[in-house]
Amino acid sequence: QKEVEQDPGPLSVPEGAIVSLNCTYSNSAFQYFMWYRQYSRKGPELLMYTYSSGNKEDGRFTAQVDKSSKYISLFIRDSQPSDSATYLCAMSATGSGNTGKLIFGQGTTLQVKP
Amino acid sequence: SQTIHQWPATLVQPVGSPLSLECTVEGTSNPNLYWYRQAAGRGLQLLFYSVGIGQISSEVPQNLSASRPQDRQFILSSKKLLLSDSGFYLCAWSGGRAVGELFFGEGSRLTVL
Repeated sequence: QKEVEQDPGPLSVPEGAIVSLNCTYSNSAFQYFMWYRQYSRKGPELLMYTYSSGNKEDGRFTAQVDKSSKYISLFIRDSQPSDSATYLCAMSATGSGNTGKLIFGQGTTLQVKP
Repeated sequence: SQTIHQWPATLVQPVGSPLSLECTVEGTSNPNLYWYRQAAGRGLQLLFYSVGIGQISSEVPQNLSASRPQDRQFILSSKKLLLSDSGFYLCAWSGGRAVGELFFGEGSRLTVL
């Protein structure tokens, strides 16, 4: 069993739709949860960051963490064609020292059609 | 502001040939540096990380090696490439403060034939 599972998609939605992206994980030691966005042929960029359980909102994006279910989600409201990209969840158990040692999901490819 | 440069962007190499990918960071000092690989349809896999000059940690046994000859320079190498080394290689840095906040380069796409 992989430490982090993510449906690779592809996911295709019409412009304006609400998008839900999800990851499950098996390591209960994970405390830090991230969502990265990767455009085609580019390096990923950090989109959202959450520590422990709860919700975090940033504009049209909302990240949710449910540690009891080992499940994290990213919601995109009013999706735009510019949101078309691959979304990678990432997790870490490290609280200090090596802060970039992350476990990534496979990535979900999202296409938002005009 | 900080920037990260990675080259070459694209590389096609025969099996058994050597490899050298280079990464440099500007605008920061003593960064943590990382090499990740992204195989087709798969997530990012951490290959090496470095917390200082000459300090390299390997995450996965493989055909590759890494070196950090200067504070802001990170090099990924191989003496003899295998077909399985094909992939998208990403260099990244972090400031060591916020867990999970990585800044990635543009990537180097390697095809081994």
